[in-house]
Amino acid sequence: DIQMTQSPSSLSASVGDRVTVTCRASQSINIYLNWYQHKPGEAPKLLIYGASSLQSGVPSRFSGSGSGTDFTLTISSLQPEDFATYYCQQTYSTPRTFGQGTKLEIK
Amino acid sequence: EMQLVESGGGLVQRGGSLRLSCVASGFIASTNYITWVRQAPGKGLEWVSVIHSGGTTYYADAVRGRFTISRDNSKNTVYLQMNSLRAEDTAVYYCARELLGPTVTYYTDVWGKGTTVTVSS
Repeated sequence: DIQMTQSPSSLSASVGDRVTVTCRASQSINIYLNWYQHKPGEAPKLLIYGASSLQSGVPSRFSGSGSGTDFTLTISSLQPEDFATYYCQQTYSTPRTFGQGTKLEIK
Repeated sequence: EMQLVESGGGLVQRGGSLRLSCVASGFIASTNYITWVRQAPGKGLEWVSVIHSGGTTYYADAVRGRFTISRDNSKNTVYLQMNSLRAEDTAVYYCARELLGPTVTYYTDVWGKGTTVTVSS
């Protein structure tokens, strides 16, 4: 199985900050990498697919990059509604695997 | 509007069984990949199982042999039959649609709100 490792596990930031979350795969996954936002009591929400494509309706302050084994999610200017947990997921092979999550908290 | 609604969760004793349902609306479940993902209390997201449009099924190692995913096309519904339940199966279970997108990669774009399974010991 492909292991996905996110860093950091948690992050404190302020509204307006630029934030970057990284995700590393245990083997090359090309661009088969997605990013999700998850808030308590809600369904996860797709932000980025194919490593860098923005899902329809997602604000442009979210962006993704990378290929192979190393990927990043960047939020250019944090908004109050962005405080949540973020997960990467590989869809290169089955079983699909998620990173352990990055909890973004208000400083 | 495309939607998935899960049901069937509840409290069950260790070793017991539950069947979760996932009803799709706004799209045809049988022409898509439908997955189950769970989140245990205080933990992250964990992929559980998928049924492909052609009927092929896959399972996570943690549930293989105990869980069975299936589909009723006439009801536009996917099921997760969970047997021999363990305390570590306690989680919110989400069903979701996995799609092959324009980048020729797969992603999960429609999620249900989840149903809670609690296994008591």
